[in-house]
Order: sequence, then C-alpha cells, then structure tokens
Amino acid sequence: KNQVEQSPQSLIILEGKNCTLQCNYTVSPFSNLRWYKQDTGRGPVSLTIMTFSENTKSNGRYTATLDADTKQSSLHITASQLSDSASYICVVSGQAGTALIFGKGTTLSVSS
Amino acid sequence: NAGVTQTPKFQVLKTGQSMTLQCAQDMNHNSMYWYRQDPGMGLRLIYYSASEGTTDKGEVPNGYNVSRLNKREFSLRLESAAPSQTSVYFCASIPHGSGANVLTFGAGSRLTVL
Repeated sequence: KNQVEQSPQSLIILEGKNCTLQCNYTVSPFSNLRWYKQDTGRGPVSLTIMTFSENTKSNGRYTATLDADTKQSSLHITASQLSDSASYICVVSGQAGTALIFGKGTTLSVSS
Repeated sequence: NAGVTQTPKFQVLKTGQSMTLQCAQDMNHNSMYWYRQDPGMGLRLIYYSASEGTTDKGEVPNGYNVSRLNKREFSLRLESAAPSQTSVYFCASIPHGSGANVLTFGAGSRLTVL
C-alpha cells in the first residue's frame, strides 16, 4: 500500500535553532516528492519539489534532501524564526495519473 | 491574482441540513480537488475533477456530491450533514494531472455540524 509517514508528529524548538523533519514513503513507482508549509488557518503552500534524480535542493533557509534508494526525504530548517511555526506536509506523487499521497504532517513550534 | 477562492470560510450546520461549499480558481487550471483535513488524519481527498465535465471519487466520498460547473468552479455539496463531517475543507487546483505540477490551495472552509 502506498504510504507516506512523517516524523516527528510535533516539535518545539527555540528561535535560532536548526531542526530536521523526516518523511519516509513506500510509493512505487515514484515520480516526485514535494514539501508544503501550512500556516495556521491557511492552505498549504509548496516549499520545494524533489524528483528522482535530485539529492538536495535549497529554498532560502529550507533544505530538502531525497534518498530514492531508501525512500526517505528530510527537510532541514536553518536558524529558525518565529514565522517558521507551521505544519509541514510531505506529498509524494507516483507516475502520471496516480493519486497524490499525503503525509499527516509535522507541527513545528518555534518559541522565543 | 486571487488564485483559489473558497466560500464560506466558516459555517455551522445542524445535523441533517444541507449546504454547498463553493470554489473558484482564476489560473485556467484543468484539474480541481476537494480535500478534508482532520486532526491527526492529514489531508484526505474527497472528490476531484481532472477536467471540465468530469468528476471522480477520492478516498472519502461518502456523504458528498460535487459539480464542476465550468472550468473555473468546482462545488462540494453536503446533502444531509452529519457530525462526522465536521472538518476543514480545502479546494485545490493544478494545471493538469499531478506529476510535477504544484497544487494551489484555497484558504479553507471550516465546517461544524452540531
């Protein structure tokens, strides 16, 4: 069964600290993996997309990695800010025409 | 550029009442989706429309109906609301299919069924 598992479920860190969120998937065949950020009361917004051939991609203080062999992805946030407090959702896409598989998300709280 | 617009943002219903959630996108996208989001469950697909004139069931379609009114609009109807349908509903659109295209989400509609 195609699944996407995220860990941890929730995380609290101090402002300025780094953190890493994990996403493991069993979707096969695999097309791409996308990380979304969802602020409270808003819809998810795409942060970055990883395709099969990509290992690392950065978007400002966000760096995503992908290991297609072990079917694992991580999202690393550097020098966290209060505005990083949100839910981060991992979404995996199979081949064209198949459904998107959503993880349940990791809720990140950044405190001052 | 409004993107995806959902109405209403908040709604309280009594069990058995009916209502329609409206969604419109101005990006000329072909595919539109309705998701519900519940605590601890993540986003789950209710219905989708791959293109104008077509609709298909998603993971949790029971109790819902949809209408793809035209290319811009995709509505979700609850004919007889139940407390289990208390949730936050998100409409999303994508240029075509899934693949590498990014979903653009609306701001959500919070529905409470008493």
